Amino acid sequence: NAGVMQNPRHLVRRRGQEARLRCSPMKGHSHVYWYRQLPEEGLKFMVYLQKENIIDESGMPKERFSAEFPKEGPSILRIQQVVRGDSAAYFCASSPPGYNSPLHFGNGTRLTVT
Amino acid sequence: AQSVTQLGSHVSVSEGALVLLRCNYSSSVPPYLFWYVQYPNQGLQLLLKYTSAATLVKGINGFEAEFKKSETSFHLTKPSAHMSDAAEYFCAVPQAGTALIFGKGTTLSVSS
Repeated sequence: NAGVMQNPRHLVRRRGQEARLRCSPMKGHSHVYWYRQLPEEGLKFMVYLQKENIIDESGMPKERFSAEFPKEGPSILRIQQVVRGDSAAYFCASSPPGYNSPLHFGNGTRLTVT
Repeated sequence: AQSVTQLGSHVSVSEGALVLLRCNYSSSVPPYLFWYVQYPNQGLQLLLKYTSAATLVKGINGFEAEFKKSETSFHLTKPSAHMSDAAEYFCAVPQAGTALIFGKGTTLSVSS
């Protein structure tokens, strides 16, 4: 049973380009979460999605960032016009429905903006 | 809103020594609390989960955590550290209707 799959593992973009990060949740999981990790800052919640719905995007920067989880296919975190401050590790997690369901994490995408 | 605070960003122990990683939650009693571990260049893995069924929770790899309401704490312990325990550890609490909120993490170093 495959775990949460994120790709690419490493992504290098120049300032001003777009970054697309993909996440395929575990089989049977309908909830997806995106987190950003910076050294010494822990994991910062960005967005929580269910199929075709954004449930909570309170952690998303108001500009340049967007996320989707379509009916078919992976969840996508999109960063437009990247800046150096976007360099970080981005983790996706999935869970089945349920308030107390543990999250299962992917191995992350490390974005470097040059 | 619920939150957790991890005291000590770095903890160093010798192999075989007691491991104690601290986590305090905000004043309202959470129904659930989690500890996760992250090894280098990997995602987070669940260590253990508190559900109010028992205050002492046993997890994987010999770790356990005790929920203490009087101290608003959920500290993680292991009686004897192993070199393979070196990693970053995160305490987390769910926000109602949304995602897990994580502490800033504690990096555990184990020396021989």
